[in-house]
Amino acid sequence: NAGVTQTPKFRVLKTGQSMTLLCAQDMNHEYMYWYRQDPGMGLRLIHYSVGEGTTAKGEVPDGYNVSRLKKQNFLLGLESAAPSQTSVYFCASSLQGGNQPQHFGDGTRLSIL
Amino acid sequence: DQQVKQNSPSLSVQEGRISILNCDYTNSMFDYFLWYKKYPAEGPTFLISISSIKDKNEDGRFTVFLNKSAKHLSLHIVPSQPGDSAVYFCAAQDYQLIWGAGTKLIIKP
Repeated sequence: NAGVTQTPKFRVLKTGQSMTLLCAQDMNHEYMYWYRQDPGMGLRLIHYSVGEGTTAKGEVPDGYNVSRLKKQNFLLGLESAAPSQTSVYFCASSLQGGNQPQHFGDGTRLSIL
Repeated sequence: DQQVKQNSPSLSVQEGRISILNCDYTNSMFDYFLWYKKYPAEGPTFLISISSIKDKNEDGRFTVFLNKSAKHLSLHIVPSQPGDSAVYFCAAQDYQLIWGAGTKLIIKP
């Protein structure tokens, strides 16, 4: 019962470096999401996807790109990391949108120096 | 401007007693609300939800109450158990989920 798996769990980057966070789900869910969580704040939606080959911007998309080439995978890319992107990143999936509960991975803790 | 507010960063409750977690929202167009629970180093997990056509929804020890006129909802946990110690997030459904900042619940033995 893997559910939603995020890799890596931890990463430290230098300013200006690039990296990709991987999210994989084995529940055949259509919708996938990327959030960031910062201290004292709720989760904020970065990008989301309503199906294979689709992506859309969320509340805080600047500085990030995403791709959903396969239904089970949703990749989050940082092209040129900035200290403001230091955060915990959560991936989630849901069967459909609307009121369907989202299932979350355990997060990636990313530090940008 | 926060549309979903959880004004208590933390709450401490004796084991066996009732835990009440509160959440306020500003947008009267929100029509569906969810509570998630989060343990350290894990992702949030769905706990319970409520539609705006109801004022109460119950699932075992967990009950969510919705007061639309006050734009307020609350999560009641009765009786509280040590495993309930976690961070609880309230979220409102818009075109996306709008999350509160969370309340850390500590259950004392």
